[in-house]
Amino acid sequence: DAGVIQSPRHEVTEMGQEVTLRCKPISGHDYLFWYRQTMMRGLELLIYFNNNVPIDDSGMPEDRFSAKMPNASFSTLKIQPSEPRDSAVYFCASSWTANTGELFFGEGSRLTVL
Amino acid sequence: EDKVVQSPLSLVVHEGDTVTLNCSYEVTNFRSLLWYKQEKKAPTFLFMLTSSGIEKKSGRLSSILDKKELFSILNITATQTGDSAIYLCAVERSGGGADGLTFGKGTHLIIQP
Repeated sequence: DAGVIQSPRHEVTEMGQEVTLRCKPISGHDYLFWYRQTMMRGLELLIYFNNNVPIDDSGMPEDRFSAKMPNASFSTLKIQPSEPRDSAVYFCASSWTANTGELFFGEGSRLTVL
Repeated sequence: EDKVVQSPLSLVVHEGDTVTLNCSYEVTNFRSLLWYKQEKKAPTFLFMLTSSGIEKKSGRLSSILDKKELFSILNITATQTGDSAIYLCAVERSGGGADGLTFGKGTHLIIQP
């Protein structure tokens, strides 16, 4: 298996633009997580899905952020409009179950908003 | 709110030294504590600890959990330059409906040749 695949790897955009990050989880994993990593705050959980259904989005910073999982093999995280404080590395992770603790992370999407 | 505090935040040692990384936590309905290693890219899983006093070991790395004092340590002996990374500690809670993991900010370890 190729592991969790994220795209784009790097994105540089201007404030106000829409940003869409994409994730393909490992086949057979029922849980998908979106995390954001910054120097100041470390890794923060934004939202997670179970069987394509959003379970907990309490970590989503505000209404500018939205996430979808239309099927078991694809998820998107969208920021509209983007702001400089959204600059971070966004990780997608998947697992067989949320209760094993072991997550498999993608390589991240580094977002820079100018 | 769950809380994970790692120390030190950064550490520079020479190759061959032994290092101890610390992780203290506060979590409702603790289930497990996990250690991850993050080099330039994605965090990769090292250990999961659920019981106090039982050491988990993998090569030169070992870890132990103290559920009474709410902390864990990660030891690396005979360090090598390839051990340079950010080491992340995370806690998982139990009880219906998982919340994912709560991560600490990490310890940035640099091994100098």
